[in-house]
Amino acid sequence: DVKVTQSSRYLVKRTGEKVFLECVQDMDHENMFWYRQDPGLGLRLIYFSYDVKMKEKGDIPEGYSVSREKKERFSLILESASTNQTSMYLCASSWTSRGYTFGSGTRLTVV
Amino acid sequence: GENVEQHPSTLSVQEGDSAVIKCTYSDSASNYFPWYKQELGKGPQLIIDIRSNVGEKKDQRIAVTLNKTAKHFSLHITETQPEDSAVYFCAAIRSGNQFYFGTGTSLTVIP
Repeated sequence: DVKVTQSSRYLVKRTGEKVFLECVQDMDHENMFWYRQDPGLGLRLIYFSYDVKMKEKGDIPEGYSVSREKKERFSLILESASTNQTSMYLCASSWTSRGYTFGSGTRLTVV
Repeated sequence: GENVEQHPSTLSVQEGDSAVIKCTYSDSASNYFPWYKQELGKGPQLIIDIRSNVGEKKDQRIAVTLNKTAKHFSLHITETQPEDSAVYFCAAIRSGNQFYFGTGTSLTVIP
């Protein structure tokens, strides 16, 4: 089975900190995605990547950046964490036009 | 872009009854429609999917139907069990790699 691993299940960070969320997939998928999930708002796309060193903005990229130096790893970076970035963050990967495989999520709290 | 609407947002059923969740989409070129189940504290998992050249697909107690003319698709769960309690998301994809998700349905199966 494809595995998408997110490095942390729970994180607590302070306002203004730089935060790194890591995601690794083991099936050589081309595509990787970062979503945030908030009650009542569903899944909102932050950034995605179709290939190494490629990145595309999703629907809510403000306050975030990403890095994809290797095919299997896609990192989400909060440049200066704020309390409104408290959320569940989900990483996913896929082949083109196939279903996503999601990681277990990282619940980030910014205090 | 695509717009996916999902109803209802919450659904309670008695154990053994059926549950139906409906989604509509806006882009007639969308051709792949997966459904995801998210249990508490976990990432979404693909449970069934359908492509636009098929009207219905079944897998044991779950089925998905697609009406391309009306641009809607539905998830049907029969003989519901307490372990079916979860949040369910529908999604649509045209070509390429980016899914558009519905806002989710919280299903509760009452023993």
